[in-house]
Amino acid sequence: EAQVTQNPRYLITVTGKKLTVTCSQNMNHEYMSWYRQDPGLGLRQIYYSMNVEVTDKGDVPEGYKVSRKEKRNFPLILESPSPNQTSLYFCASSFKNSPLHFGNGTRLTVT
Amino acid sequence: EDQVTQSPEALRLQEGESSSLNCSYTVSGLRGLFWYRQDPGKGPEFLFTLYSAGEEKEKERLKATLTKKESFLHITAPKPEDSATYLCAVQANQGGKLIFGQGTELSVKP
Repeated sequence: EAQVTQNPRYLITVTGKKLTVTCSQNMNHEYMSWYRQDPGLGLRQIYYSMNVEVTDKGDVPEGYKVSRKEKRNFPLILESPSPNQTSLYFCASSFKNSPLHFGNGTRLTVT
Repeated sequence: EDQVTQSPEALRLQEGESSSLNCSYTVSGLRGLFWYRQDPGKGPEFLFTLYSAGEEKEKERLKATLTKKESFLHITAPKPEDSATYLCAVQANQGGKLIFGQGTELSVKP
């Protein structure tokens, strides 16, 4: 089944403790992206990748890192999480200029 | 500045009561407008892409239309299973970034 898989689905952590949210797609998509979704603010792009080893900042990249060493994987790294990074995170992928396929989200709470 | 505004924020309908959701946009050159459905606890699911004014797409009880300034998602004789948040997004020619609206939360009561 074609899908975007994120792990974990839920994560509670403390301020400053490094964490990684994994994202994997099995559709051979070149394009991958991370979004955060907050009430009243909608979906905002954090980082995106046009292809392997090519990444770029979205609208809200501060406090996040990504890497794209393989086509299928696009992990999101929070080196030192803070409470304002508490949010619902979505990974998405697509072929160029095609509709995005989204994962089912990771709900992160930073205390 | 490229912008997408959806209205209303929330819409409550009785089963069978047809209505429309609005997505107004300003973008410097539209490459495409996308409609997504998002159920609670899940990621957005693609519904339609519209590329040019006058274009229409249909799927079951949903019909999406596009003008130069806005898109409508018409829901005909909705059922409770149509309850979800509907998201609109536009992609500009320049840069190709997707800009999402804040969504319309639709509730259909039996």
